[in-house]
Parts: sequence; structure tokens; C-alpha cells
Amino acid sequence: DTAVSQTPKYLVTQMGNDKSIKCEQNLGHDTMYWYKQDSKKFLKIMFSYNNKELIINETVPNRFSPKSPDKAHLNLHINSLELGDSAVYFCASSQAGTANTIYFGEGSWLTVV
Amino acid sequence: GENVEQHPSTLSVQEGDSAVIKCTYSDSASNYFPWYKQELGKRPQLIIDIRSNVGEKKDQRIAVTLNKTAKHFSLHITETQPEDSAVYFCAASYGGSTLGRLYFGRGTQLTVWP
Repeated sequence: DTAVSQTPKYLVTQMGNDKSIKCEQNLGHDTMYWYKQDSKKFLKIMFSYNNKELIINETVPNRFSPKSPDKAHLNLHINSLELGDSAVYFCASSQAGTANTIYFGEGSWLTVV
Repeated sequence: GENVEQHPSTLSVQEGDSAVIKCTYSDSASNYFPWYKQELGKRPQLIIDIRSNVGEKKDQRIAVTLNKTAKHFSLHITETQPEDSAVYFCAASYGGSTLGRLYFGRGTQLTVWP
């Protein structure tokens, strides 16, 4: 009964590869996010989708491409991975109009070697 | 955009003592201020939040205060226990937005020594 689930939890890959992280929420929320947490623990928003529509697109390299097939899913595809992409990626969701309380997934640990 | 500053970056206390973490924000339109706790290797989890029409909120050993005039808010943990050890994040929500745009502080590593 996990509210926000993402896969894979751990991912080790070589530079230059392309990888995807999947996220699903069963809370009935209409807004989903991707956050990146670097080695210094800073949580930085990357993207936000509301009802499948891209709302927030921070200054993120265009190697990162989110896709939302429906409002319960938000996937993140990363092309041509670089060493600096190593981080923990958190998917999250919220319901617009409910004081913006955000619920995070368990995180995906990406290591680029 | 909003800028949230959080202090201190690390905090060590003895079990049973109190811990206080302070945050300031820049945008006077921000009206929602949650606090998240992140244990090692886990996800950030909401522990308490406060809205701009309230000055203080308490939940057992945790309390949050908000000073809108000074644009700062604080987390207070009393009677700390070793299981309170974690990274704590404050955040501010961009005023008027219904789309969950949260700006996070850089986090405080709290260590409670037994």
C-alpha cells in the first residue's frame, strides 16, 4: 500500500548510458514532482506536472526528460549520463489546493561510474 | 523566487535537551511552512507544518513558531531522544500557488547523544 513508489531503488551505470526511473502514486493526487538530492543533502526541484501537464521545469540539462502518461505516473528519463548526475532522485506528489503538502517516494540512488 | 535560509547546518545535543532550528524566507507572499525529517537512507517525511494565519503550532514534543513580520520560522524539539537524530528541512511555499512549489532550506543535521 505504498503511497508513492519509484523503481529502481538503486542504479549503477556507466557514463554515456541512458536510464529511466519510474514513479507511481496511489494517493489520487494531481501533481507530481521530481527532486534531486545531491551529496550535501540539498533538495532541489527538477520538474512538476499537474494533470499530466508540465508546470515547473527548473534549470535542468535537456538530457533529463520527464514523461507523465497519466496523473498517477511520472517517469524520468536521462540520456548520456554524466558523473555529476550521481545523486538520489525523489519522486513526490501532492494535491493542488491542499496547502501543498508533498509526499515523497523512497528515492532512487543513481551512481554513474 | 523564494529563498529559504536554514541554520544551523549541524546541531548536537544531549538526550533530554531541547533543539531549535531556525529558517528565514524572502518572499512575503509565502504562506505555508512545512518541516520534513529525513533519516539516513530514507525519504523526507513531513513532521509538522504551519500556515501564515497561525503563530505557533505544537504536536507533542515538536513545535513550530512563525513570525511573519520578520519572515522567520523555527522548529523546536523538546526532550530530545536519540531517534530524533536526522536531517531536518524547512520549506516555504510560494504564495498563492496551488501547485506545490516548495522551496527547501539546506537542512540541519541533528545528532542526539545518549
